[in-house]
Amino acid sequence: AQTVTQSQPEMSVQEAETVTLSCTYDTSESDYYLFWYKQPPSRQMILVIRQEAYKQQNATENRFSVNFQKAAKSFSLKISDSQLGDAAMYFCAYRNGGSQGNLIFGKGTKLSVKP
Amino acid sequence: DVKVTQSSRYLVKRTGEKVFLECVQDMDHENMFWYRQDPGLGLRLIYFSYDVKMKEKGDIPEGYSVSREKKERFSLILESASTNQTSMYLCASSLLPSNEQFFGPGTRLTVL
Repeated sequence: AQTVTQSQPEMSVQEAETVTLSCTYDTSESDYYLFWYKQPPSRQMILVIRQEAYKQQNATENRFSVNFQKAAKSFSLKISDSQLGDAAMYFCAYRNGGSQGNLIFGKGTKLSVKP
Repeated sequence: DVKVTQSSRYLVKRTGEKVFLECVQDMDHENMFWYRQDPGLGLRLIYFSYDVKMKEKGDIPEGYSVSREKKERFSLILESASTNQTSMYLCASSLLPSNEQFFGPGTRLTVL
């Protein structure tokens, strides 16, 4: 069975600095997707970034980028120029490829941003 | 924008009560999901549905059932609520299984 591990329950970053959130996963599949979701306090969870396993290029969305190391089964999220609004729970998630398959979430990392 | 709504943000029920949590999405998505979120445990899948009247068990279906009579609506039912079902419940939907899941705001259920 696939598993997703987020080893940092809490992280803190100074405003305008860069922070990296770690995620590792375990799978024997070659076709899969990886996601980072953000859940701000008392607000809805939203997708931050998505990576297809077959793509070698790391996904980027504005200040958010990933470091996808397929051989190491690592999928870290880098947030550049951190803003107060980045404070949230961040969840790493995995999904098998194909027509079916559900998201498997890590336990989350709570990110605090200090002004 | 996709909108996923849940019937209540906060709900307080008594042990043994039957509880209905409703979820509605407005983007004609085929797939709908119910998760529960607990501190330190992340999100765990309770049930999901790939089509109307179709349902599949997730990782923790015990004590729950679901109903999907219409494409846009997916209901989670606690037949006899227990205190260990006190949790945050999140509904999500997606167009295709591989696509992004869109989440509702969540229902924080307390069972006394």
